[in-house]
Amino acid sequence: GQQLNQSPQSMFIQEGEDVSMNCTSSSIFNTWLWYKQDPGEGPVLLIALYKAGELTSNGRLTAQFGITRKDSFLNISASIPSDVGIYFCAGHGITGNTPLVFGKGTRLSVIA
Amino acid sequence: KAGVTQTPRYLIKTRGQQVTLSCSPISGHRSVSWYQQTPGQGLQFLFEYFSETQRNKGNFPGRFSGRQFSNSRSEMNVSTLELGDSALYLCASTNEGGELFFGEGSRLTVL
Repeated sequence: GQQLNQSPQSMFIQEGEDVSMNCTSSSIFNTWLWYKQDPGEGPVLLIALYKAGELTSNGRLTAQFGITRKDSFLNISASIPSDVGIYFCAGHGITGNTPLVFGKGTRLSVIA
Repeated sequence: KAGVTQTPRYLIKTRGQQVTLSCSPISGHRSVSWYQQTPGQGLQFLFEYFSETQRNKGNFPGRFSGRQFSNSRSEMNVSTLELGDSALYLCASTNEGGELFFGEGSRLTVL
């Protein structure tokens, strides 16, 4: 089945630093979604991307849908302690009504 | 608008027992998906229901089953529980744009 490779697996950064994580796939995706999960909670949708090349921001978060439709990245600028959590990329394949496939997540730790 | 509601939030069962988890989607959302989340495997797709019909199914044994009711509420059942079934079970409802909105999950511990 379709798989997403998400990297890095974990990151330790200083408060105020920028963060970048990405996701790649061996197959084409029609939609890329980025989620954040806090401990003991369900994932929360951060950004949704629908077109190749699309660049979308949500506050300090920016995500892009790669031109090849096989990759996406998420940037967080000026990180703060509440950015701590696990970030997941997810995507819908090109076949209609396929389930959302998730990457294994990037665990972000912010050192104050 | 109320979010996705899952019950129970926590439960403990013993091997061999069965469990039923419940999910109420966001009002107006007709698709409900279930995922199993474990530390080593991430989010694994279980199944998706749309208008009371199973639309997609992941690679889980037949002990895992689900259903959806006419009001879009969904339940999933795991029979003959095994230790490896301990996980966070997440339900998500989908809007027309294909975006999934998750509940807080039901954390199952099998002893």
